[in-house]
Amino acid sequence: QKEVEQDPGPLSVPEGAIVSLNCTYSNSAFQYFMWYRQYSRKGPELLMYTYSSGNKEDGRFTAQVDKSSKYISLFIRDSQPSDSATYLCAMRTGGKLIFGQGTELSVKP
Amino acid sequence: GAVVSQHPSWVICKSGTSVKIECRSLDFQATTMFWYRQFPKQSLMLMATSNEGSKATYEQGVEKDKFLINHASLTLSTLTVTSAHPEDSSFYICSAAPLTGGHGELFFGEGSRLTVL
Repeated sequence: QKEVEQDPGPLSVPEGAIVSLNCTYSNSAFQYFMWYRQYSRKGPELLMYTYSSGNKEDGRFTAQVDKSSKYISLFIRDSQPSDSATYLCAMRTGGKLIFGQGTELSVKP
Repeated sequence: GAVVSQHPSWVICKSGTSVKIECRSLDFQATTMFWYRQFPKQSLMLMATSNEGSKATYEQGVEKDKFLINHASLTLSTLTVTSAHPEDSSFYICSAAPLTGGHGELFFGEGSRLTVL
């Protein structure tokens, strides 16, 4: 079993839709939870960062962490075509950052 | 956010040659930098942890003699792919965490695409 599981998609939604992206994990030692956005042929860009259970909101993005269920989510409201990218969840304990496989999102105009 | 620069962003080389990729933190210092490898439509796989002033720590299955890592200063780490072969063709990405401040975020470079002919 992988330490971090993420549905690779692809996920296609119409513009304006609410997008829900999810990851599950098995290592209870993970302390930090992050979401990265990666455009084709580019390095990952940090979107959201949390280190406790609960919700964190930043503009159209909301990150949710449920440590008891070992489940994290990223919600994108009012999705835009420019949101089309691969979204990677990542978790960190100590120095290592472990990534999910990434979900490819396409937002259609 | 903090800026991490990689160079070159794209390199083509002949089989058997060595290629060096640089990773620089431009506006912060980092004692630790990480090197990842990413195949098309796959996630980032941690290759090694680069520690300033000491030997790198390699992940299981990564050849130390093939992927030489040097962390000469608090702002620079290099990855050298020695005697490159076509199967080494990949997207190599580095990341770094600020030495002070922040809460453990890692910032990534733009990646270096290596093609070995």
